[in-house]
Amino acid sequence: DGGITQSPKYLFRKEGQNVTLSCEQNLNHDAMYWYRQDPGQGLRLIYYSQIVNDFQKGDIAEGYSVSREKKESFPLTVTSAQKNPTAFYLCASSIARDTSYEQYFGPGTRLTVT
Amino acid sequence: QQPVQSPQAVILREGEDAVINCSSSKALYSVHWYRQKHGEAPIFLMILLKGGEQKGHDKISASFNEKKQQSSLYLTASQLSYSGTYFCGTEIDFGNEKLTFGTGTRLTIIP
Repeated sequence: DGGITQSPKYLFRKEGQNVTLSCEQNLNHDAMYWYRQDPGQGLRLIYYSQIVNDFQKGDIAEGYSVSREKKESFPLTVTSAQKNPTAFYLCASSIARDTSYEQYFGPGTRLTVT
Repeated sequence: QQPVQSPQAVILREGEDAVINCSSSKALYSVHWYRQKHGEAPIFLMILLKGGEQKGHDKISASFNEKKQQSSLYLTASQLSYSGTYFCGTEIDFGNEKLTFGTGTRLTIIP
């Protein structure tokens, strides 16, 4: 079955450590995204990539980094510079539909930093 | 800037109707609607494009008023499975493939 895989589902880290969240898709989608979700704040875009080896900052990129070396993979690193990293992180990819596009989401990773 | 959704939360009895609104301060190219169950990934519902028609499937439909820069999602004869948080995502320009999501509307359907 095609889809988006995020691992792990739950992740715990100590403050001051960098942590990398995995996102893999086998949908052959060109574009991929990372969102952060906090209670009552909806989905906020961290980074997105429309093509391999290229990515753009979203609305809340500070303290995060990404890479896009392969079409299927878009890992997100939460660095120690991110002041409040505890959140639910969602990865998505998109395909063109009706002159716009539809985003497919992964199951998410809940990161807790103490 | 995030689109504004209203209401923030609503509780309905099974079979009642609901309307969820999404307003933007900017001119929009498209509006996307998603539903998310607690702890799960958002699921795509529909896209409304500038100049397009009202859309719907089953008992969920939506409209897009370009002049008012707003979209409404209509749920008729609600079912228990409709419970969840509904998000609108707005796209300003065709081609940048970037959505800005609203803060969500939590819908609870009770028997």
